[in-house]
Amino acid sequence: AQSVTQPDIHITVSEGASLELRCNYSYGATPYLFWYVQSPGQGLQLLLKYFSGDTLVQGIKGFEAEFKRSQSSFNLRKPSVHWSDAAEYFCAVRSAGGSYIPTFGRGTSLIVHP
Amino acid sequence: EAQVTQNPRYLITVTGKKLTVTCSQNMNHEYMSWYRQDPGLGLRQIYYSMNVEVTDKGDVPEGYKVSRKEKRNFPLILESPSPNQTSLYFCASSRGRQGGSYEQYFGPGTRLTVT
Repeated sequence: AQSVTQPDIHITVSEGASLELRCNYSYGATPYLFWYVQSPGQGLQLLLKYFSGDTLVQGIKGFEAEFKRSQSSFNLRKPSVHWSDAAEYFCAVRSAGGSYIPTFGRGTSLIVHP
Repeated sequence: EAQVTQNPRYLITVTGKKLTVTCSQNMNHEYMSWYRQDPGLGLRQIYYSMNVEVTDKGDVPEGYKVSRKEKRNFPLILESPSPNQTSLYFCASSRGRQGGSYEQYFGPGTRLTVT
């Protein structure tokens, strides 16, 4: 069965600092990987996704993520965090074939200090 | 505008009083799903539907029912709500073709309180 682990429940960074949110997945075949963001009081919005090709993917709001098959990871990065990036971030995985039911991580809450 | 709508956004009810949370999408998506979100537990899937008249249990289906009579609608029914169903609920939809990379589109959420 597929699973997703986000090892950090909370991350605190200063505005302008760089950010990396970790995501590790467990899945036997080629996964499709997603990062979603949930701003306070909002639903989830897709930041970026990986399904094939270049392992470094660019998303909205200046975010990027790198797929590393050898490490089963799909970490989210941003070079300079803005106060408006404070939100909950979810990593998700689904299979490339067969069932398209996604599995979500438990989320990482990002706190941004001025 | 492509969107998933949920109603109501906020609901306070009492134990045992049946309620329905509606979900509708205008993107002609095959796949729809309900999640609940609780602090420290992330998103847990309640039920999902791969197409009209096709529904299946997710990870936490107890105490919930769903139906999919039309492609665009996927209501969540709590026949006899209990306080442990107090939570934030999200509906989501996506294209359902196998092998596609299709991401999910989420509704704005329904905050339910059962007293």
